[in-house]
This record gives sequence, C-alpha cells and structure tokens, in this order.
Amino acid sequence: GQSLEQPSEVTAVEGAIVQINCTYQTSGFYGLSWYQQHDGGAPTFLSYNGLDGLEETGRFSSFLSRSDSYGYLLLQELQMKDSASYFCAVRSDQTGANNLFFGTGTRLTVIP
Amino acid sequence: EAQVTQNPRYLITVTGKKLTVTCSQNMNHEYMSWYRQDPGLGLRQIYYSMNVEVTDKGDVPEGYKVSRKEKRNFPLILESPSPNQTSLYFCASSPLDRNSNQPQHFGDGTRLSIL
Repeated sequence: GQSLEQPSEVTAVEGAIVQINCTYQTSGFYGLSWYQQHDGGAPTFLSYNGLDGLEETGRFSSFLSRSDSYGYLLLQELQMKDSASYFCAVRSDQTGANNLFFGTGTRLTVIP
Repeated sequence: EAQVTQNPRYLITVTGKKLTVTCSQNMNHEYMSWYRQDPGLGLRQIYYSMNVEVTDKGDVPEGYKVSRKEKRNFPLILESPSPNQTSLYFCASSPLDRNSNQPQHFGDGTRLSIL
C-alpha cells in the first residue's frame, strides 16, 4: 500500500516561519503536491515537487528529498489568513495517471 | 471564469432514497475525480475518470456509482444512501498529462447528511 504522514496540528505566531513535514511511502513515485484548504472551502493547489530541491512561490516554498521519501512546506512571514489545513499528496504508479493520494492534513493555526 | 460546479451544496436526506450530486467543469479537462472528506481522514478518492466513458474505482468506491457521458459532467450517484455516507464531497478536474504535474481544480463541495 501507500501511506503519508504529516502532523495533525501546528501553531505558529504571526510573522514567523513554519515548516510542515510530510513523509511518504509508495512505489513508482512521480511527485509531491501541497494543497491548502480553509475551513468550509475547497482545497486549492499550492505547489508541486517532481525533483529534489526547493520550489519557491512567494511566501511559500516546498522541498522534496526523493531519497528520504520526505518533503516539507515552508510558510514565511505568516499571516492570519494562512490559518488553514494543509495537505500533502503523492502521485505515483500506485495512484496511477493523474490520481493523487492525500495525507490526512495539518491544521495550521496562526496566533497574533 | 474557469470553475468546477457542484450541486447541491447541501443536502439532508434519508436512508435508501437515491440521490445524485452533479459536477460540471468548463475547462475542457479530460480528468475528473470524486473525493469524500471526513474528519481525521483527509481526502479519499471514490471514483475517477480519464475521459468520456472511461471511469475507474478509487480507494473507497463502495456504495457509489459514476458516469461520464460528456466531457464536462461527472455525476456521483448514491443508489441507496446509508448514514455512513454522510460526508463532505468534492469533485475535481485537471488536464490529463502523465509527464508533469497538473493541479487539480476543486469544486466548492457538497455536504451530505444521510439520516
């Protein structure tokens, strides 16, 4: 089978930096995606890593180490509106084609 | 505006009464998928479709049916709903490209309560 592990909850202070880790177990790995979901809202795409290294998009960065089966999402200069759930998701031979297998999500709470 | 539209947004119904949740996308995407989201379990895939008339089971297909007669529509059918199908449902679509990441676009969700 396949599995994803990410912390269930993280709390951080406004203006700080927070890192959300994700470890995965799968075969035929293609890449790791990150999605954000605000309460009552739809998941929205944040970033994707197909190769090792860091991808940066504004305040958000995502990192992947294929050899360690590990990735993380880094959020800088945290804002209150970043309070949301963050999901990592893998694409692999096991999921097939465009399918994603999602982790159970990390709820980020940003406090003043 | 590019979007995935689900209807209804909310539904309370009773056990055994057949229901359909519609999903429509206006982006000409080949790939569409249905997920259910339950507390602590994340998003679990129910069914997906790679193109018209091509559908396949996801991780939790029991109790659900789908069809893909047109590219834009991918309805989710619960023939005989049961209380364990009470959940938040999302439809998603994306272009089909095996060689690169194609982000999935999600609808706003349908909250189903089966009494």
